[in-house]
Amino acid sequence: DAKTTQPPSMDCAEGRAANLPCNHSTISGNEYVYWYRQIHSQGPQYIIHGLKNNETNEMASLIITEDRKSSTLILPHATLRDTAVYYCIVRGQNNAGNMLTFGGGTRLMVKP
Amino acid sequence: EAGVTQFPSHSVIEKGQTVTLRCDPISGHDNLYWYRRVMGKEIKFLLHFVKESKQDESGMPNNRFLAERTGGTYSTLKVQPAELEDSGVYFCASSYGTASGYGYTFGSGTRLTVV
Repeated sequence: DAKTTQPPSMDCAEGRAANLPCNHSTISGNEYVYWYRQIHSQGPQYIIHGLKNNETNEMASLIITEDRKSSTLILPHATLRDTAVYYCIVRGQNNAGNMLTFGGGTRLMVKP
Repeated sequence: EAGVTQFPSHSVIEKGQTVTLRCDPISGHDNLYWYRRVMGKEIKFLLHFVKESKQDESGMPNNRFLAERTGGTYSTLKVQPAELEDSGVYFCASSYGTASGYGYTFGSGTRLTVV
């Protein structure tokens, strides 16, 4: 699976949009971009995923660049409860291992 | 729908002892995964079950770790004998399928401390 690069930490004001970037310049054509987050002392939580089109669900939006080499996770109105470590993961559609490869993630701190 | 459940939530054991962690996946999820995070490191894959069969155990660190999934329902991960470096948080996850579109649901983890 392709490697991803994320900033180690970010701050965001409560109520504002949080934009978390991810670089995946070696992504291949059949690899999807997944986002998970881990709130302190809980297990990782699935947020959203996409291939090449932008995606939106009740939690977030995912913007993938046209060349697919980077993406941005957007939390439109961050709350204090969104403080967590956010992981950008690239995974093949039918890769043999089917595992998720976690990197260091971005520690998002939402401040009042 | 009940989520992925892990027992116990915390375990403190002495070096050399045996510990068994249990994971109950979401009902109907054939795929079950074990991951762990040791202190200061990233979350790492351990193994993947499809029903009762081990699909991929490439992440198992050594033969002190034994995972089973009898009948394709719940799974256990046994560490015998436990070493200090086994301390960490062990996560279980399950999914209905493995292709894209199937997000994994993780449990809250078991925090293992070996002293």
